Amino acid sequence: QKEVEQNSGPLSVPEGAIASLNCTYSDRVSQSFFWYRQYSGKSPELIMSIYSNGDKEDGRFTAQLNKASQYVSLLIRDSQPSDSATYLCAVNIGNFGNEKLTFGTGTRLTIIP
Amino acid sequence: SAVISQKPSRDICQRGTSLTIQCQVDSQVTMMFWYRQQPGQSLTLIATANQGSEATYESGFVIDKFPISRPNLTFSTLTVSNMSPEDSSIYLCSSDRTGNEQFFGPGTRLTVL
Repeated sequence: QKEVEQNSGPLSVPEGAIASLNCTYSDRVSQSFFWYRQYSGKSPELIMSIYSNGDKEDGRFTAQLNKASQYVSLLIRDSQPSDSATYLCAVNIGNFGNEKLTFGTGTRLTIIP
Repeated sequence: SAVISQKPSRDICQRGTSLTIQCQVDSQVTMMFWYRQQPGQSLTLIATANQGSEATYESGFVIDKFPISRPNLTFSTLTVSNMSPEDSSIYLCSSDRTGNEQFFGPGTRLTVL
């Protein structure tokens, strides 16, 4: 089992709809979870971090964390063509003080005008 | 978020040569990280660089191939030694000034002929 798993997509969503991106992780003791957006030819950009169970909202983005199910998701409301990118889920995995940021393979999202 | 710059932004090198990539952060940070992103792949951690100590390398990466320097709290270098075409990749540095959250530089796109 991979440490961080994402559906590679591509995921196509109509403009204005909600895009839902999912991620599962293997380490039950992980405490820190992140979503990065990566445009083609660019470096990853941090868009959301979440540490507690539940939802965290920032503008059109909502991160959801369920530690019992080892599941983290990202919702993008009112999707815009500029949201078309690869979204990387990242999880801090490892023993306390020796955690490493481990990335999933990314989900390629396309917003269709 | 930290502002991180990298030099060079891209390079084309001959096999058997070495390239040193520089990473500069706009403020003092404890930890800096070096990642590799091969075409169409996600990010893989090469090593963690703390100022004043030897870098810690991940499985599959060795100091002889990827020597790292960390002379102060704002700067690090990664050298890719004795390059082969398999080293063609994007190399990214990051820092975690705000604790767990890592911010990335723009990357160095390396092509080895």
